[in-house]
Formats: sequence, C-alpha cells, structure tokens
Amino acid sequence: AQSVTQLGSHVSVSEGALVLLRCNYSSSVPPYLFWYVQYPNQGLQLLLKYTTGATLVKGINGFEAEFKKSETSFHLTKPSAHMSDAAEYFCAVSMAGGTSYGKLTFGQGTILTVHP
Amino acid sequence: GAGVSQSPRYKVAKRGQDVALRCDPISGHVSLFWYQQALGQGPEFLTYFQNEAQLDKSGLPSDRFFAERPEGSVSTLKIQRTQQEDSAVYLCASSLAVGGAIYEQYFGPGTRLTVT
Repeated sequence: AQSVTQLGSHVSVSEGALVLLRCNYSSSVPPYLFWYVQYPNQGLQLLLKYTTGATLVKGINGFEAEFKKSETSFHLTKPSAHMSDAAEYFCAVSMAGGTSYGKLTFGQGTILTVHP
Repeated sequence: GAGVSQSPRYKVAKRGQDVALRCDPISGHVSLFWYQQALGQGPEFLTYFQNEAQLDKSGLPSDRFFAERPEGSVSTLKIQRTQQEDSAVYLCASSLAVGGAIYEQYFGPGTRLTVT
C-alpha cells in the first residue's frame, strides 16, 4: 500500500521568501509523484510530476520539486513567494508501470499563507 | 476547450435522502475517477472507470454508494440514504488514456454535499 505524509498542515511565509512544502511517501516500489494546488472553490490543478528521468522537476508558476529516493521525499520549493501562491497544496503518489491506471493517493494537504 | 464539469456544485440533503452527483469529463477521455474530500483532508479514491467499465470500486465506503458511466462519457455517483458522515466534496477527474500514470488527471470543481 502507498501512503503520503505532508509535514505541516499550515505554512506561512512572507512575500519574496522561500517556499518549502514537505512531502514524504511510503511505497514498496518507486512511485510516480505529483504536486497539485487547490484554490478555494476550484478543482485541483497539477503543478508538476515526477515519473522517470531527471530527479529535479520544474513545474508551473516557478515551482520545482526534487525526488530523493534515499529519503523517500518529494519536497516542493519556490525561491520567491508571491501573494497569488496562497492556496492549499497536495502531494500525491500513484503506482508506476504500464498496468497502472493512475489512481492517486493524496497527502493531507498544506495550506500556504503568504504575508505582504 | 471545456474542462471537467460537475453538477450540482452544492447539494444539501436531509439525512436519509438519496442524491445523484453528475460528472461531465473532457470529451474523449477514457479514464474517469471519483474522489471524496472530507473537510480538512486530502482527496480519497472512490472508484475508477475505463470507458463504461468500472474497473475499481475498492474505495466506495459502503453499499449505499453506487457509480455508473453507461455510455463511457458522463458519470453519476449516487448515494442512497445519506448519512452525516457522507458530507464532503466529491471530486471527479478524467484523463486521456490508460497505461501508466503519466497521463494527467484533470479535476472538476467538485460537488459539496452537506447532509443535515
């Protein structure tokens, strides 16, 4: 079974500061990894994903994440926070491989607040 | 083009009532997922369709929950004899194809169900 742990249900940063949202996963085999963002009253939007290849993944809106197999982590970062980044962020995993249909297992979410 | 749409956006039901939640996926998308998101939690998988076939219903919490996708496009999630614990946001997602998890899931805005 797969599971995802997001450390910190709330993260608060100042505008222009580094954003770091933590995600650790548990899986018997290296999974596919995702970060989604959810704005109020909207659906989830994919920020970035890791499947294979380069372990540093760049996504939309200046976000990036690094897959570290030895640490079973996939932390999300952004060098400089913007007010528009305030939202809830979800880390998710799915089983890798050709027979997988992509069912996602999500973490509990981290609410990011950005102060002016 | 249009994204995934869900209706109604909000539903209030009295305990014991039956409800039906509709999902219109992106045209041509083979895969369709339903997730349940309780307040303050990450989404949890309910069920998966590949075209009209329901291939995984392992996440449905009880036999009061039923989902269908008879023509391989629109899907309906039905909850019979609603209980207070059914209060949640129900998210629908679709993706283009199967074969690994590299096909992005596009999420609808969700239906917020409140059972009183």
